[in-house]
Amino acid sequence: QSVLTQPPSVSAAPGQRITISCSGSSSNIGSNSVSWYQQLPGTAPKLLIYDTFKRPSGIPDRFSGSKSGTSAALGITGLLTGDEADYYCGTWDNSLSAWVFGGGTKLTVL
Amino acid sequence: EVQLVESGGGLVKPGGSLRLSCAGSGFTFVEYNMNWVRQAPGRGLEWVSSISGTGTDIYYADSVKGRFTISRDNAENSLYLEMSSLRAEDTALYYCSRYGMDVWGKGTTVTVSS
Repeated sequence: QSVLTQPPSVSAAPGQRITISCSGSSSNIGSNSVSWYQQLPGTAPKLLIYDTFKRPSGIPDRFSGSKSGTSAALGITGLLTGDEADYYCGTWDNSLSAWVFGGGTKLTVL
Repeated sequence: EVQLVESGGGLVKPGGSLRLSCAGSGFTFVEYNMNWVRQAPGRGLEWVSSISGTGTDIYYADSVKGRFTISRDNAENSLYLEMSSLRAEDTALYYCSRYGMDVWGKGTTVTVSS
């Protein structure tokens, strides 16, 4: 059982927009910035979003992050088949003194 | 190029020990907190441990506390994870990552089995 809750899967057609939610609590998302990671099949995770809404260089602006209270969200517009991957949210939890991840969301681009 | 390369994984019997290493390059190693994150086969990411740049602040997941020890050698730009009393549930791909999880290695596989 992950501290951060994500939907197990989401699917959409190429070109469409999706949002992946990440629900936490006041000790983690409510107090700290959120990061998002993309893990393509058979590869290491890659940072997509940091500090809740910032994108590292090289990450297209099709990817966006947001936060409201104790929930965060990753948005992806103009879906490509190459976006098919597992997506994870993560942040520090002040009560646990631990980094916590969501359980991951598998994105299928139909 | 910023790079992290893990090594030291392998097959070990339950109750055994193993030491993982992570070599960092392309950045000023001492300036960054470092992490170990693992991923069991077919499962999600699980944070294992973090250490500050100077090594003074260390944190562990409850699942490994008392069994795993994180350390670093800044002169060698290296991060370590000493694992003991290994269990089947420690079987995973172990990743080294930089502060904020902005850079990841490719991982090293640890299999705990008799």
